[in-house]
Amino acid sequence: DTGVSQDPRHKITKRGQNVTFRCDPISEHNRLYWYRQTLGQGPEFLTYFQNEAQLEKSRLLSDRFSAERPKGSFSTLEIQRTEQGDSAMYLCASSLARVVSGAETQYFGPGTRLLVL
Amino acid sequence: ILNVEQSPQSLHVQEGDSTNFTCSFPSSNFYALHWYRWETAKSPEALFVMTLNGDEKKKGRISATLNTKEGYSYLYIKGSQPEDSATYLCAFAGGADGLTFGKGTHLIIQP
Repeated sequence: DTGVSQDPRHKITKRGQNVTFRCDPISEHNRLYWYRQTLGQGPEFLTYFQNEAQLEKSRLLSDRFSAERPKGSFSTLEIQRTEQGDSAMYLCASSLARVVSGAETQYFGPGTRLLVL
Repeated sequence: ILNVEQSPQSLHVQEGDSTNFTCSFPSSNFYALHWYRWETAKSPEALFVMTLNGDEKKKGRISATLNTKEGYSYLYIKGSQPEDSATYLCAFAGGADGLTFGKGTHLIIQP
């Protein structure tokens, strides 16, 4: 299977704990995105990477959130000192960016569902 | 803050009937409009990327149209089947590199 994979699929944690999620994009894709979806809402953009460079961060990404893509392949999203409001589905997507930004298809993984108790 | 609206929020359709739903988006700074289908416990599946005013795209029984001047897109499903049950999401690409999604239309096909 050459699609986008995410690990874990589900995570339950206690408030105040740190959690880390991993995303493996489609191998030749140079862009990787993180989104968050809460109940009743569409996915909301968090951040994205072009190769290993983090190029944009949403204001939703508080200082408790950090994302890395150290070798331009897989990415991790860490949430420190989790809060109940962090409970959501965290989605990763990848794309092969060409000249025009925004017009390339983003391929999504199945998401990691986080529950903070 | 970009506003992407989808209607209706949910829809029950009899098997075999055709249906359509709407996505409205800002008409300025338009790069592309994306449609996704998201079934429970699966990854969102890309249906269409539309870039030009007047674009019409088709994939099997599903088709979409785009009007960038007035800021709307329609998704049509012809002859609905139970496997079409899913949430249909549209997403606006406006130059910033993340997509702005609507809340989705939850479609249920009743046998």
